[in-house]
Amino acid sequence: DIVLTQSPVLAVSLGQRATISCRASQSVSISSINLMHWYQQKPGQQPKLLIYRASNLASGIPARFSGSGSGTDFTLTIDPVQADDIAAYYCQQSRESPFTFGSGTKLEIK
Amino acid sequence: QVTLKESGPGILQPSQTLSLTCTFSGFSLSTYGMGVGWIRQPSGKGLEWLANIWWDDDKYYNPSLKNRLTISKDTSNNQAFLKITNVDTADTATYYCARIDGVPSFDYWGQGVMVTVSS
Repeated sequence: DIVLTQSPVLAVSLGQRATISCRASQSVSISSINLMHWYQQKPGQQPKLLIYRASNLASGIPARFSGSGSGTDFTLTIDPVQADDIAAYYCQQSRESPFTFGSGTKLEIK
Repeated sequence: QVTLKESGPGILQPSQTLSLTCTFSGFSLSTYGMGVGWIRQPSGKGLEWLANIWWDDDKYYNPSLKNRLTISKDTSNNQAFLKITNVDTADTATYYCARIDGVPSFDYWGQGVMVTVSS
């Protein structure tokens, strides 16, 4: 199985940049296609797709969210952070089955 | 628009079989490249992928639970199903179904259904 590793907590100040990382135990890329996706989950809600294939913004997601990376190292950036961004963020790979999720990073406000 | 909604028993006893239904609209599971996945989340914990079923009836399971899981679909009624046999307290969680697009990613999610296993 591909294991995805995330830091559990990230604290940032409002208006600053948040950088959330996800490291895969093996490559999740096929040629130039990076099969890593990011989800946001607010308390009491279902997850929401933010970024697909590492760097593509999902429909309706604000442009202050962006994604980058390839191979085994990926990053979700939120710039600038707003109060509404307080949530857990999960990476997920679809390179191979089982479709694993990272353990999630909780974004907190300093 | 795309919507999904899960339904289940709410509470069941250890050793019973959990049967979940995902009723969806706005897409068809007979469309090339489409799929539905099941994901669960124990309270306060992370997301665990369980199983996927695809438009061509291809199925994939989480190997850690594979012997207990069965995923199926009813294309004409826009439903997908998941059965988990021999449940125990560790299966207590919120269960989500989600559409799988051609990316493939889980692009639309249901609101989730809470399931409690308790004697």
